[in-house]
Amino acid sequence: QIQLVQSGGEVKGPGTSVKVSCKASGYTFSNNGISWLRRAHGQGLEWMGWISGYNGRTNYAQKFQDRVTMTADTSTSTAHMELRNLKSDDTAVYFCARGGDGSAAYFDPWGQGTLVTVSS
Amino acid sequence: SYVLTQPSSVSVSPGQTATITCSGENLRDKHVSWYQQRAGQSPVVVIYQSVKRPSGISERISGFNSGDTASLTITGTQAMDEADYFCQAWDSGSAVFGGGTTLTVL
Repeated sequence: QIQLVQSGGEVKGPGTSVKVSCKASGYTFSNNGISWLRRAHGQGLEWMGWISGYNGRTNYAQKFQDRVTMTADTSTSTAHMELRNLKSDDTAVYFCARGGDGSAAYFDPWGQGTLVTVSS
Repeated sequence: SYVLTQPSSVSVSPGQTATITCSGENLRDKHVSWYQQRAGQSPVVVIYQSVKRPSGISERISGFNSGDTASLTITGTQAMDEADYFCQAWDSGSAVFGGGTTLTVL
């Protein structure tokens, strides 16, 4: 079945960077893109951006444009999301999800989530 | 920026019908997806393109989109339906989520 498996939780200091990985299986990676989303405790879902599994084209949410880099490695069917200059309010569970290209797009399935804690 | 508005909470008795609304300007012109997130789990899409139900999702769940409001309806609500529900649409190339609705089955 289609599955996305994410890397483990991270604890980072303010001003540092975090890189989260998302390994896809059960489908042809290059046929779909991967979106990254997050949910902070007590808050709602927030979309961070999308990367094509075919050619690496990206579409970042304006809020994260200056701090995020998304990459995709077709040889390992793995997507990565790096968030720089971390702040305390970046503490959240980060999810990858298949999909996110186009106005009819939806996210399915989702990875298991990666807790990123930003603390001094 | 585009805003989707949901009630923060909805309560329903077991076996009754729960309806969660999602309001946004000209929402009828957009494709709306709905996600269910149970406690401690990852979100799952339960409705996409406003009215379509993915395979494996209960037939008790349905979606509707008209005017400025989309809705998610769960008939015969069960304890397993207790979760946070989020609507989502696209605006200017970015995904926008509603604030989420906590469904409580009393």
